[in-house]
Amino acid sequence: EVQLVESGGGLIQPGGSLRLSCAASGFTVSTHYMGWVRQAPGKGLEWVSMLYSAGATDFADSVKGRFTVSRDTSKNTFHLQMNSLRVEDTAVYFCASGSAVVTPFDAFDIWGQGTMVIVSS
Amino acid sequence: DVQMTQSPSSLSASVGDRVMITCRASQGIASYLNWYQQKPGKAPKLLIYAASSLLTGVPSRFSASGSGTDFTLTISSLQREDFATYYCQQSYTTPATFGGGTKVEIK
Repeated sequence: EVQLVESGGGLIQPGGSLRLSCAASGFTVSTHYMGWVRQAPGKGLEWVSMLYSAGATDFADSVKGRFTVSRDTSKNTFHLQMNSLRVEDTAVYFCASGSAVVTPFDAFDIWGQGTMVIVSS
Repeated sequence: DVQMTQSPSSLSASVGDRVMITCRASQGIASYLNWYQQKPGKAPKLLIYAASSLLTGVPSRFSASGSGTDFTLTISSLQREDFATYYCQQSYTTPATFGGGTKVEIK
């Protein structure tokens, strides 16, 4: 079964760092693009970042310079490193990917369940 | 950045109604438009990709059309399980922006 499972969320003070993990099963993270999408409480979806299979990365302006992404092929896991966290980064963070069918359009048809990040003093 | 404007932001409808949601891009995005459904406390679910391609397993009452800047998602006969929030997303360029969402509620 194709599945993504996030972990690593929690309560963190402003200025702190947190690393989210996304464990994949049923497919290989190194051959798929992997993205992060977040949703602040009561708000809509916000695209955060993308790691393409060839290694290129891209980030939303709101997180550029503070967030990085990486993958661990030995554990088939994808990470979001979040530094200099701000109150406005508070959200549920979803990792997502695309199957072969949707890959040409960079759509996300594989989603994790989400992990909550709360940035507060 | 490409801005995605969805309308309406919410609507009330009855089971069996035909529902249409529109999404407008601030610049041309060809057919790089995806539609998602999200229920409270759950991850989004992809319904439509490439503007009009129905993902396998999605009921045929869902359809979509459009290209360039104007897109539409149609639910031909609303079912109880369709009450949710719907988002469009452009994947033509990064950041791959989402629309603000349309909440479909029971009348």
